[in-house]
Amino acid sequence: GAGVSQTPSNKVTEKGKYVELRCDPISGHTALYWYRQSLGQGPEFLIYFQGTGAADDSGLPNDRFFAVRPEGSVSTLKIQRTERGDSAVYLCASSLGLAGAGGDTQYFGPGTRLTVL
Amino acid sequence: KNQVEQSPQSLIILEGKNCTLQCNYTVSPFSNLRWYKQDTGRGPVSLTIMTFSENTKSNGRYTATLDADTKQSSLHITASQLSDSASYICVVTRVNLNDYKLSFGAGTTVTVRA
Repeated sequence: GAGVSQTPSNKVTEKGKYVELRCDPISGHTALYWYRQSLGQGPEFLIYFQGTGAADDSGLPNDRFFAVRPEGSVSTLKIQRTERGDSAVYLCASSLGLAGAGGDTQYFGPGTRLTVL
Repeated sequence: KNQVEQSPQSLIILEGKNCTLQCNYTVSPFSNLRWYKQDTGRGPVSLTIMTFSENTKSNGRYTATLDADTKQSSLHITASQLSDSASYICVVTRVNLNDYKLSFGAGTTVTVRA
């Protein structure tokens, strides 16, 4: 079956611009996670959705970052006034959500590589 | 301070040889530990998951061990293949009531050469 998909695969933008990153989770997965991964590092948690609501957004670095999941399926990570330090791979993962965040296996998408010039 | 430390940071091995990756953690209370394989340009893929009571878990040529007392885990790759070249990430889940938190290691980059 189809896995987690993310679009675009690559995004190059200029400092100060607004970007949106999209994640399509596996059908039927109620839990959705966003991570940020810098080169040579493990993924860093940003936000976790259970259904339509953000159950935990403690990983969002500041108020320039925002994510939505209006219908409990597709999610969009939005970054305002991008900075060079935002450059990273943004990973999305989904899980069945039966046991809370991290309680069941997460399936990752291929990521979106964001480059802020 | 990262609660999951992996070593070595990177290693190079010859095809057909074995290798062992280490993961030490301070996460508490512990729920489970996972090893993920991440190919370049791809998202991580789960290899194994172990809970507190499990000492070893195998997935093909990958064998993970867990010592929950010393808070150490290892991932052993047997008879390495070129396709094993990837980053291997150790992920520890902390549980507090119904709240789970994941802590990711920085990963070990494995390069298998012919």
